[in-house]
Amino acid sequence: SQTIHQWPATLVQPVGSPLSLECTVEGTSNPNLYWYRQAAGRGLQLLFYSVGIGQISSEVPQNLSASRPQDRQFILSSKKLLLSDSGFYLCAWRGDLNQPQHFGDGTRLSIL
Amino acid sequence: QKEVEQDPGPLSVPEGAIVSLNCTYSNSAFQYFMWYRQYSRKGPELLMYTYSSGNKEDGRFTAQVDKSSKYISLFIRDSQPSDSATYLCAMSAGGQNFVFGPGTRLSVLP
Repeated sequence: SQTIHQWPATLVQPVGSPLSLECTVEGTSNPNLYWYRQAAGRGLQLLFYSVGIGQISSEVPQNLSASRPQDRQFILSSKKLLLSDSGFYLCAWRGDLNQPQHFGDGTRLSIL
Repeated sequence: QKEVEQDPGPLSVPEGAIVSLNCTYSNSAFQYFMWYRQYSRKGPELLMYTYSSGNKEDGRFTAQVDKSSKYISLFIRDSQPSDSATYLCAMSAGGQNFVFGPGTRLSVLP
């Protein structure tokens, strides 16, 4: 069966520091991968998605970037964090475009 | 008008009650519909996935889609305290973009 791992679960970072959040999927190959941010009381906001190694699509302009160095690895990064980057970040995967998304347990990011 | 609307709750019901959760949407192109359950500080967990209109049942859960009214529902029978969570609806026209509702917070009281 397929599993998705996200780490760390919680992260506290100072403003201006770099960020690297990692997501890996097991038990499948060539998944579609997604990064979302979830704000309290609001729907999930799609940040990036990837259909293959090195292929990244950005949905919103922001201070963040994403990379997919391996088939089942998706990384969310920032060179300099802003206060507004605080939030709950979720990674998701799915097989083909007729399938639903499956989520990891998220990273709660607090910027001080 | 928001693309997907969902009552945020909170919704409190006694144990054993039938729970009805709903979402309305405006985009008639949506044809894939999902319900997720999210416990506090966890990621959303897929409960139900349906294509087009109709009903789908899985154990105590039933999902209904009425495309003519742009309205989807999730029913939970014999609700349990362990069902206490936030329930998110989501929908897609088939591409890479999913639209999520803000979630309804449900409390099932023992």
